[in-house]
Amino acid sequence: DAMVIQNPRYQVTQFGKPVTLSCSQTLNHNVMYWYQQKSSQAPKLLFHYYDKDFNNEADTPDNFQSRRPNTSFCFLDIRSPGLGDAAMYLCATSRDRPGTYEQYFGPGTRLTVT
Amino acid sequence: AQKITQTQPGMFVQEKEAVTLDCTYDTSDPSYGLFWYKQPSSGEMIFLIYQGSYDQQNATEGRYSLNFQKARKSANLVISASQLGDSAMYFCAMRDREGDQGGKLIFGQGTELSVKP
Repeated sequence: DAMVIQNPRYQVTQFGKPVTLSCSQTLNHNVMYWYQQKSSQAPKLLFHYYDKDFNNEADTPDNFQSRRPNTSFCFLDIRSPGLGDAAMYLCATSRDRPGTYEQYFGPGTRLTVT
Repeated sequence: AQKITQTQPGMFVQEKEAVTLDCTYDTSDPSYGLFWYKQPSSGEMIFLIYQGSYDQQNATEGRYSLNFQKARKSANLVISASQLGDSAMYFCAMRDREGDQGGKLIFGQGTELSVKP
């Protein structure tokens, strides 16, 4: 089945220790998104790739970076995690064409910062 | 600025009954899309239903239907014949600038639905 895969599902890192979360998709969608969702809150968009074009949200901290080496993979790098970065990180993809704007989400990576 | 409002933090419904989850939105863009997502306790966001701003008919997908009232700027989700597995958080979302590259989803705060046996 075509899907969005995120690894790992659970990640524990130490304060200030860089961490990378990964996302892959078999849907061949051209757009990939990273969201941060804190407890009892709505998902918040961090950035997205439209094909190879990177689009950063204005309020995304510099501590968060992303890479998309090819259509299928996208990575979220947190350079120096703080306690406030503990959250669920959701990857999503979309074809982003008229009539097919829905985004499909992976299962998420729950990040704990100790 | 675009905004989505879900005024029901939590809802209860008896199994097999219908339930309506409220969503209102605000946008100055004439072209937009409205979405509902389900998020179980496992965390995955599951796409349920989509309504385009120019669609003449209300969207339906199985037990889910979207009651779209454009003049009132509301897009309520109706779940018919509730099941225990419907217990989850439900998010309403809007995408602006339909037809343009790069429109993003804006989410409401969510409604926690609990289905009672």
